[in-house]
Amino acid sequence: KAGVTQTPRYLIKTRGQQVTLSCSPISGHRSVSWYQQTPGQGLQFLFEYFSETQRNKGNFPGRFSGRQFSNSRSEMNVSTLELGDSALYLCASSLPTGAGELFFGEGSRLTVL
Amino acid sequence: GNSVTQMEGPVTLSEEAFLTINCTYTATGYPSLFWYVQYPGEGLQLLLKATKADDKGSNKGFEATYRKETTSFHLEKGSVQVSDSAVYFCALSSFSSGSARQLTFGSGTQLTVLP
Repeated sequence: KAGVTQTPRYLIKTRGQQVTLSCSPISGHRSVSWYQQTPGQGLQFLFEYFSETQRNKGNFPGRFSGRQFSNSRSEMNVSTLELGDSALYLCASSLPTGAGELFFGEGSRLTVL
Repeated sequence: GNSVTQMEGPVTLSEEAFLTINCTYTATGYPSLFWYVQYPGEGLQLLLKATKADDKGSNKGFEATYRKETTSFHLEKGSVQVSDSAVYFCALSSFSSGSARQLTFGSGTQLTVLP
């Protein structure tokens, strides 16, 4: 069974640009979550989608947005990039039942110059 | 709100030493508890979980027991190997309206095992 797939794995952008990251969940998983990982702030929750609807959102500015498609694939977008947006962005999928465990992809490493 | 406090790192051990990484939590209700591991350049892998008080999660020689009375979920391994070198995260799962799920993570503990 294929795991969570994230693309691209690495990318470099400059301040002011925007970026779109993609995530394909494990087959059969309909919930997709996004997390930002930085050395200073650790792992922070961005948002969660289920059946194309955002169910939960973390404390991030409106520059961070996401969406989910009918096949459960998800994208997140960051507009007007700032240096502080440099981070590892992790996508995770989960089943609607269970203990709430998430299954993570390998992440997309974003560097903002 | 929910929070997870992990033992400060880094932790350096010799191969075959005993490992304990402390984790305590604050949460409303009855959260599920997890340990995740992150190897260099990779995402997080679920190591083990426990869903109710006194449950013991175990995997690959690692164990953790859900202690509600002390709000703790300490990770232990009797004999570590060099390949266990990684960052370990304690986390709890909370559910909000509409069954939305969110994990709250600790700050992570870097473990280095020397041969």
